[in-house]
Amino acid sequence: GAVVSQHPSRVICKSGTSVKIECRSLDFQATTMFWYRQFPKKSLMLMATSNEGSKATYEQGVEKDKFLINHASLTLSTLTVTSAHPEDSSFYICSASGPLNTDTQYFGPGTRLTVL
Amino acid sequence: AQKITQTQPGMFVQEKEAVTLDCTYDTSDPSYGLFWYKQPSSGEMIFLIYQGSYDQQNATEGRYSLNFQKARKSANLVISASQLGDSAMYFCAMREGTSGYSTLTFGKGTMLLVSP
Repeated sequence: GAVVSQHPSRVICKSGTSVKIECRSLDFQATTMFWYRQFPKKSLMLMATSNEGSKATYEQGVEKDKFLINHASLTLSTLTVTSAHPEDSSFYICSASGPLNTDTQYFGPGTRLTVL
Repeated sequence: AQKITQTQPGMFVQEKEAVTLDCTYDTSDPSYGLFWYKQPSSGEMIFLIYQGSYDQQNATEGRYSLNFQKARKSANLVISASQLGDSAMYFCAMREGTSGYSTLTFGKGTMLLVSP
């Protein structure tokens, strides 16, 4: 139980395009999901907390208009990197709390974004 | 001040030996949770073990145990009988409060290399 998937696992795009990353909780409902960014050989940096049915809560320094988060259902949250630039290239990981909300966060396998 | 401190950037251990990865934390919240995650080169974050601040006994999960010393604010991970597959980055993390809605704060990580 407590499996989180992410799609795509790897994406390469041209500068200026938008990229959507999906995060799904496969066998439990997750009212809260989290989006992290990780640079090579660095720790995870929380970008935002995604709540089902409401607006995401962004961490300081994270551009809301750049990183659009939608949590439309209890099993799906999406992160859209709009007008991507090379500096947005990174490893993006989502996690979901569940299934009991007091449990640990389970992470998806991550998405490696490369912007050319 | 850093909330999670991992002082060992890298550790080496021989196969079948035990190894301790250090983690100290800083919080004024009486309720908190401590987590260890493993991140192999593939990038996925694998949950290893959890310790709640009110747990009387140290957590154990198979070959993993958490040496929880509350007064010293340390939560070291002990891996017994190391295997080659244990080579990975290890992150200590803390959640303040008990709700799954609370965010995780990660340490900088320790790279563990297991040699034959």
